[in-house]
Amino acid sequence: ETGVTQTPRHLVMGMTNKKSLKCEQHLGHNAMYWYKQSAKKPLELMFVYNFKEQTENNSVPSRFSPECPNSSHLFLHLHTLQPEDSALYLCASSQVGLAGEAGELFFGEGSRLTVL
Amino acid sequence: AQSVAQPEDQVNVAEGNPLTVKCTYSVSGNPYLFWYVQYPNRGLQFLLKYITGDNLVKGSYGFEAEFNKSQTSFHLKKPSALVSDSALYFCAVRAEYSSASKIIFGSGTRLSIRP
Repeated sequence: ETGVTQTPRHLVMGMTNKKSLKCEQHLGHNAMYWYKQSAKKPLELMFVYNFKEQTENNSVPSRFSPECPNSSHLFLHLHTLQPEDSALYLCASSQVGLAGEAGELFFGEGSRLTVL
Repeated sequence: AQSVAQPEDQVNVAEGNPLTVKCTYSVSGNPYLFWYVQYPNRGLQFLLKYITGDNLVKGSYGFEAEFNKSQTSFHLKKPSALVSDSALYFCAVRAEYSSASKIIFGSGTRLSIRP
């Protein structure tokens, strides 16, 4: 239904597990993003990739590790998470111009993560 | 510094009545303004944007928004609300020529349409 597909939609993991979230965009965009959405908090930007290169890391703990093998795919590797990391993780993509300006964001459906 | 404010956490409207969801912003230079909608357990869906041109912007699902530069506002409107419009609405802003990573989202307004 959307041009950005996220899997899995739901994930429950223990604090010692290692898991990954996957995002794929079918819109031909050249930039991809990870956002965290927690209850009662504004949307938090975590990572940005332009042309497969990470251009922003907004002070995200190292237990979150992004990977962008190409402009269509984005992963978020999770390791030794904490219960407070439970949230909806949203992937987005956009088209970025030569001067760095960007169009609107297109979001995936999100991956609901619960850390026990 | 950029900021965006959605002063109402919740808006309640009867079906068939007009609705307004408020948004005010602060940005250096010309603003790019956006509205997104989020249904339960779903991602954000793009509704409409203002870049330049006509102050009244039309978007998806019959929504429109009016850009008011003097009041630094970008209120979302619909002439006749539907129950299916019940969702969480986010206003967002970034400065012209800035990257999408500089987009700032409001805290969201929950719209509830009663039959």
